Amino acid sequence: DSGVTQTPKHLITATGQRVTLRCSPRSGDLSVYWYQQSLDQGLQFLIHYYNGEERAKGNILERFSAQQFPDLHSELNLSSLELGDSALYFCASSVDLGGGNEQFFGPGTRLTVL
Amino acid sequence: AQKVTQAQTEISVVEKEDVTLDCVYETRDTTYYLFWYKQPPSGELVFLIRRNSFDEQNEISGRYSWNFQKSTSSFNFTITASQVVDSAVYFCALSERVSSGSARQLTFGSGTQLTVLP
Repeated sequence: DSGVTQTPKHLITATGQRVTLRCSPRSGDLSVYWYQQSLDQGLQFLIHYYNGEERAKGNILERFSAQQFPDLHSELNLSSLELGDSALYFCASSVDLGGGNEQFFGPGTRLTVL
Repeated sequence: AQKVTQAQTEISVVEKEDVTLDCVYETRDTTYYLFWYKQPPSGELVFLIRRNSFDEQNEISGRYSWNFQKSTSSFNFTITASQVVDSAVYFCALSERVSSGSARQLTFGSGTQLTVLP
């Protein structure tokens, strides 16, 4: 158990809908990262928050957004969903901003868009 | 250009064989970090090792060992006396600054599916 929690574990929805994925980092970790894992794209970095502020963006679509709240939990919002958004979404946390420390991953949320 | 290359898509070995998973990386950052993660069939990503660019010492942890060679930009992972429970996808990853002053980004390779047969 990495100490990172993600809810829900599974999510099935229809095209055009909007969903919110939630992540609670390990106690004491200020950085939260979001990743998307799909068969065709592999594991891709989406976005990084540190202590409530966005610090880096990767291959995140404009239909996707995220935020980190004062209690450090984070939410990833996916809107106007398409079939291609079906994937496993991971949240990870680490203690630092610099990215040199290991990231601990949550169990993931499997999103299926029908 | 791919920043982290894991050329072996799938490897199959028989239990007790040794196996080496290759990882080649590319970066312009002078200070960077390399990682290996394991993803068993259950799906979670499990951290295995972290190495910074200034530490080229090889590391051994039980049946696992890692060989970091800056000269060839490689960070290979060897499992000695493999076991069925080692069957998983193994990812190599690179943490680097993508621009001056920016936070680091973790870039994963495409992974190597290791199957250990009984």
